[in-house]
Amino acid sequence: QVTLRESGPALVKPTQTLTLTCTFSGFSLSTSGMCVSWIRQPPGKALEWLALIDWDDDKYYSTSLKTRLTISKDTSKNQVVLTMTNMDPVDTATYYCARFNMVRGVIIVDAFDIWGQGTMVTVSS
Amino acid sequence: EIVLTQSPGTLSLSPGERATLSCRASQSVSSSYLAWYQQKPGQAPRLLIYGASSRATGIPDRFSGSGSGTDFTLTISRLEPEDFAVYYCQQYGSSQALTFGGGTKVEIK
Repeated sequence: QVTLRESGPALVKPTQTLTLTCTFSGFSLSTSGMCVSWIRQPPGKALEWLALIDWDDDKYYSTSLKTRLTISKDTSKNQVVLTMTNMDPVDTATYYCARFNMVRGVIIVDAFDIWGQGTMVTVSS
Repeated sequence: EIVLTQSPGTLSLSPGERATLSCRASQSVSSSYLAWYQQKPGQAPRLLIYGASSRATGIPDRFSGSGSGTDFTLTISRLEPEDFAVYYCQQYGSSQALTFGGGTKVEIK
């Protein structure tokens, strides 16, 4: 069974750096085609893609947020970490990690096929 | 960056009716890289359709996707009570840039 779980602080102050961890099981991020991504959703608003890291340790970022984001992985721990600097109240959102499945097999998905439950982060002084 | 525009913003329908949701891209999107998700209140999104028209595992056949180029459609043939939710389209393009649409809420009329 494939699962992902987000963890991190529920409250951060403006200007602080947010660090979120995605711990996953049921697949390996060293398998060709496997990727993990971060997506966020402000209350009552749409989904926003943030960053993606792939099996080859290539990293991709939202154009609008790339200067503030860093994504990394620890394959041995089955974890992906996202840091976001200079947090602001507008960054208040539920942050999701999700598997982006690009594995080339009988079925080719190329989509976010498994999601974590999300973690709510509030930015306030 | 490719912008996805979903319409309508809200769709008010009754159970048993047909729902047609639109997703329009600012540039051509490969059909292989267009997906649809369903999100219910307080829950994470769930993959419905990938590759523009393939149903994900466990998704009922009343859900179907179609389209190509810049125009894509999600159709729910007969709405069940559990289908009232928000639906998002998403594309994956070159340089691994991903974007989501703004969502369509399907509500009970």
